[in-house]
Amino acid sequence: DAGVTQSPTHLIKTRGQHVTLRCSPISGHKSVSWYQQVLGQGPQFIFQYYEKEERGRGNFPDRFSARQFPNYSSELNVNALLLGDSALYLCASSGRGNSPLHFGNGTRLTVT
Amino acid sequence: EDQVTQSPEALRLQEGESSSLNCSYTVSGLRGLFWYRQDPGKGPEFLFTLYSAGEEKEKERLKATLTKKESFLHITAPKPEDSATYLCAVQAPWNSNSGYALNFGKGTSLLVTP
Repeated sequence: DAGVTQSPTHLIKTRGQHVTLRCSPISGHKSVSWYQQVLGQGPQFIFQYYEKEERGRGNFPDRFSARQFPNYSSELNVNALLLGDSALYLCASSGRGNSPLHFGNGTRLTVT
Repeated sequence: EDQVTQSPEALRLQEGESSSLNCSYTVSGLRGLFWYRQDPGKGPEFLFTLYSAGEEKEKERLKATLTKKESFLHITAPKPEDSATYLCAVQAPWNSNSGYALNFGKGTSLLVTP
């Protein structure tokens, strides 16, 4: 079975630009979460979506937004990019109940 | 506020030299404690979930244990392929702000040499 897939794998943007990251969950998983991982740190929670509704939001500015589609795939959007937004952006999906998060390999975003 | 502290930050072991990684946590009502393995350039790979104090889980050379304040990841007779960063995360009960967010520690970078 395919795991969580993310695209693109790498991305270079300039300050002030906008970026869209995409994620396809494991088949049958209805919940998708987004995390930001800066080098040398653990992942930090950005958003959680379940059945197309936002169920949780981390401590990130309004420049960060996301949505989930009817097929449970998801997009993370970041506006007005800052140098500090450079990081590995991880998407994770989970099944019912207290099942664990399964992560994709992330999108490496570099802002210059 | 939930806190997760992992120690040591880095650990170097000889092949076959057993050791333990520590994850200390404070959380208002633990829903679950999770261990992940992360290889360079990859996403975290799920290893274990622990739900209550006294619980233990095993997988090959890894064994995870849980108390009310900390969790240990014991590595028995490690091999070079066990080299990775090991991440611990806690999950609190659902709240209207963060949902079921995982709160991660910074990880322990493990290097096993032949």
